[in-house]
Amino acid sequence: QVQLVQSGAEVKKPGASVKVSCKASGYTFTSYGISWVRQAPGQGLEWMGWISAYNGNTNYAQKLQGRVTMTTDTSTSTAYMELRSLRSDDTAVYYCARDWGTQVTTFDRLDYWGQGTLVTVSS
Amino acid sequence: SYELTQPPSVSVSPGQTARITCSGDALPKKYAYWYQQKSGQAPVLVIYEDSKRPSGIPERFSGSSSGTMATLTISGAQVEDEADYYCYSTDSSGNLGRVFGGGTKLTVL
Repeated sequence: QVQLVQSGAEVKKPGASVKVSCKASGYTFTSYGISWVRQAPGQGLEWMGWISAYNGNTNYAQKLQGRVTMTTDTSTSTAYMELRSLRSDDTAVYYCARDWGTQVTTFDRLDYWGQGTLVTVSS
Repeated sequence: SYELTQPPSVSVSPGQTARITCSGDALPKKYAYWYQQKSGQAPVLVIYEDSKRPSGIPERFSGSSSGTMATLTISGAQVEDEADYYCYSTDSSGNLGRVFGGGTKLTVL
């Protein structure tokens, strides 16, 4: 069965960086993309970006350009999301999701989601 | 930046039909997807490509799209359908970003 298992909760100080992992199993990792979505406390869902697990191509949300980097390790079927220069409004639950879009220009469904990783930014 | 607009809340009695709308200028050209999120849980895909239902999703969930509005319909809503619902789509102007609607809290009581 398809599973996405994310790393554990993090507490970071403003200005620091955080790297969240998402280990996939139960499917051919390189046949799909991975999207990252975050949700601030009591707020809605925010799409952060997408990465192709096949070739590493990325598509980031404009508001996060320059602060976010998404990567994959095909040897371990793991995706990573690094967010830098953290601010208090980056406090959120971060989700990875399997994305049927396989190219930058392809928009498709997110059908399996990780359990979420709480990142708290506080001094 | 592109936006999808949803009503903040919808309320129905059990057994009634709930309709949740999502408005966006690019919806005539781009598919809408719908996600259900119960409190403290990850989102679940309930409708893809405007009107298709993933396996395991009850038949009471259906979707449609006309012009600049997509609609999620829950026919005979159950108490367990109480959740937040989000539409998801993308712009058609060449901007490759994806967006979620603001979410609609469905209350069934």
